Amino acid sequence: GNSVTQMEGPVTLSEEAFLTINCTYTATGYPSLFWYVQYPGEGLQLLLKATKADDKGSNKGFEATYRKETTSFHLEKGSVQVSDSAVYFCALSDHDMRFGAGTRLTVKP
Amino acid sequence: DARVTQTPRDKVTEMGQEVTMRCQPILGHNTVFWYRQTMMQGLELLAYFRNRAPLDDSGMPKDRFSAEMPDATLATLKIQPSEPRDSAVYFCASGFGLADYNEQFFGPGTRLTVL
Repeated sequence: GNSVTQMEGPVTLSEEAFLTINCTYTATGYPSLFWYVQYPGEGLQLLLKATKADDKGSNKGFEATYRKETTSFHLEKGSVQVSDSAVYFCALSDHDMRFGAGTRLTVKP
Repeated sequence: DARVTQTPRDKVTEMGQEVTMRCQPILGHNTVFWYRQTMMQGLELLAYFRNRAPLDDSGMPKDRFSAEMPDATLATLKIQPSEPRDSAVYFCASGFGLADYNEQFFGPGTRLTVL
């Protein structure tokens, strides 16, 4: 069946550091891929998405490229801020939505 | 701006009691999802509806959980009887259509504690 595997956390970075959170997927069809973010005490909210191979999703300085050859959708940001501290979920949608386990990111000043 | 609302935000109850959680999807959205989030299991899909009809509830323990949409503005998730292992945060999400690329909009969640 379809599944998502993402990098285990927690991840702790200093402000302005480069961020990568790895995500790989298994799917039988041609899924859409998403990154959602969850801030403390809130529900998940969409950060970015890509609907087909080689698409790049981007938002708020974050980006991820849909790589079919490596079945990956890694999240990157060039310079993180304290306000980026949250839990990040990779997800795929192919008739239903499957979420990864989440990666907690803490950014220290 | 339009948001998914959930009530209550927090619920503490004793084992054996009935619990009802409510969700108001974003007006105009025709799909509603119920998720459960725990530290051990992460985010699990319990059930989802399209145009108020249940499409899949295979993720839900059938003997004690039930999900309904009495009308387009209200979705409910009921647990009867509740057990300590049901303690989790329950999220409702809504969206439009079931296309794979469609975004889901999450509510703030109901934190349930069963003693």
